[in-house]
Amino acid sequence: DAEITQSPRHKITETGRQVTLACHQTWNHNNMFWYRQDLGHGLRLIHYSYGVQDTNKGEVSDGYSVSRSNTEDLPLTLESAASSQTSVYFCASSEDREGEQFFGPGTRLTVL
Amino acid sequence: RKEVEQDPGPFNVPEGATVAFNCTYSNSASQSFFWYRQDCRKEPKLLMSVYSSGNEDGRFTAQLNRASQYISLLIRDSKLSDSATYLCVVNRRSNYQLIWGAGTKLIIKP
Repeated sequence: DAEITQSPRHKITETGRQVTLACHQTWNHNNMFWYRQDLGHGLRLIHYSYGVQDTNKGEVSDGYSVSRSNTEDLPLTLESAASSQTSVYFCASSEDREGEQFFGPGTRLTVL
Repeated sequence: RKEVEQDPGPFNVPEGATVAFNCTYSNSASQSFFWYRQDCRKEPKLLMSVYSSGNEDGRFTAQLNRASQYISLLIRDSKLSDSATYLCVVNRRSNYQLIWGAGTKLIIKP
């Protein structure tokens, strides 16, 4: 069965360190998304990609970067982790840009 | 004003009751609407899309009111397993992004 996976599931890091969160999907979807979820907020879009070599900034992209070298993977990098980036991070993919999104299980990141 | 607003709840409802949530959106050009369900500490999953004519899936009914810019979700004969957070999602037509509400928490009590 097609799926979307994220790793690690839990991560504790220190302020200033670089962190990369992995996202891998086997749906063969062109569209992939990274969100963060915090209490009191809906899912907020960090970065998204509509295909290989295509990446775009979302509403909360500062301090984050992505690259898309193949259809299956969209890793998210925190260049210099800050305590404000403590959050749950979800990766998603979709067949249509505005259609149903399928989510990975999430990564719980704590920045100390 | 947020682009998508939901009553955060929690809604505490006895098993078997009917419960309804509303969600308001600010962008009149929005064309796609969804309800997702999110269980505690899990990923969101699509519950149903919302169509202009309204749609029903078993005990769940979704309605769209374009004039007043809100969508609704009705759950009939609620079950304990319906306890979750329900997320309202609307597309932002200008850049195809989906905008997520903060969610309404539902607790079904025996």
